[in-house]
Order: sequence, then C-alpha cells, then structure tokens
Amino acid sequence: DVKVTQSSRYLVKRTGEKVFLECVQDMDHENMFWYRQDPGLGLRLIYFSYDVKMKEKGDIPEGYSVSREKKERFSLILESASTNQTSMYLCASSFSGQGVPYFGPGTRLTVT
Amino acid sequence: RKEVEQDPGPFNVPEGATVAFNCTYSNSASQSFFWYRQDCRKEPKLLMSVYSSGNEDGRFTAQLNRASQYISLLIRDSKLSDSATYLCVVNTGRRALTFGSGTRLQVQP
Repeated sequence: DVKVTQSSRYLVKRTGEKVFLECVQDMDHENMFWYRQDPGLGLRLIYFSYDVKMKEKGDIPEGYSVSREKKERFSLILESASTNQTSMYLCASSFSGQGVPYFGPGTRLTVT
Repeated sequence: RKEVEQDPGPFNVPEGATVAFNCTYSNSASQSFFWYRQDCRKEPKLLMSVYSSGNEDGRFTAQLNRASQYISLLIRDSKLSDSATYLCVVNTGRRALTFGSGTRLQVQP
C-alpha cells in the first residue's frame, strides 16, 4: 500500500514566521508534488520535483520554496507566512511519466 | 478558459438514482484522464482511470469523448456513501497532472 505522510495535520502560525511542511513517501516514487486547495479554486500546483534536488515551479510558486535532498522527502517552505497562505496543503507522489499521484492526508495551515 | 472545467454542483440526488458528471478539457493533445474522489476534509483518492474505449468498475462508468474534449463519470444506483466531491484529472502536457475544481455530489435518503 502506498503511504504518503505529512508532518502535521493542523498548524497555526503567525504572520512573518518561517514555516516548514514536510512530506515523506515510502514507494520509491520519482515525482513529488505540493498542492494547495482552497474552496472554489480546487487544487493548485505550487511546486513539483521529478528527482532529487530537481524542482519545477507550478502554477502558484510565489511565496514558497521547496527542497528535495532525499528521494523520499519533499519539503515546502513558506519563507515569511502571510494570511493569504492560510489553506489546505496536500503533498502527493507518483512514478515518473504520467504516474497516478497518491496523496498524503493534508496539512491545514492557518496563518494569523 | 480553464484547462479543466467541472460543474461545481452540488448535485442532490435520491438514493438509487443514476447521476452523471462531465468534465471538459482544453488541450486536445491530452492523453491521460482520471477521476478522483475526495471526502470532506480528506485527501483525494483515485477512483478510476478513463480509457479511450470507456470503462466500468461496478456501479461506476467512465467515458472519454475526444471529439468534444470531455470525460464523464456515471454512477448508477447511488448510495449515501457516494456523497463526496469528484475531481476530474487530466494530463495537459506538463509533467504534473491538472485537477478540476470538483463536482460535489450529495446523495439523500
């Protein structure tokens, strides 16, 4: 069974704080993704990585950075959290090419 | 125009009803199509892939219409447990798949 885990289910941070969201997968997937999901806007791709140390911007990368030092781990970093980054953050992983993505349980981040 | 578009609903149907959702996509070169299901406050989970010839999995049937650039999901004999949001997912030519905003289904007793 594919397992994608995320470091926190719920997180509350203050404006201006640096925030780290971590994601770990145990299926040796090449691809890893970070999405955010907001009501009425659906899932929007922030960044994805197709190999260790490789990354590509998604549709809404502004205000975010990522790190992939090991194949199984993909981190999303909010350098200076803002209230408009309050959202549900979903990590996913898949095999290379057009592999079907499997999602982690999500982190509901609130920035106050 | 959005790359992948879905009617947000909600579709309110009685138990036992048949319901169908469509999803349109803009990139005619798209090759891969999927339906995901997402329960409230949970992560999306793969429901089924969509094949060119159409495919069925129990009460669920997925179809692809390349000429009109849409995919559909048909649910027969709806159960209360089918209440969820159904996400259409399309390969739009990038490395990452593109998700629609979802269609909400509410099955009522």
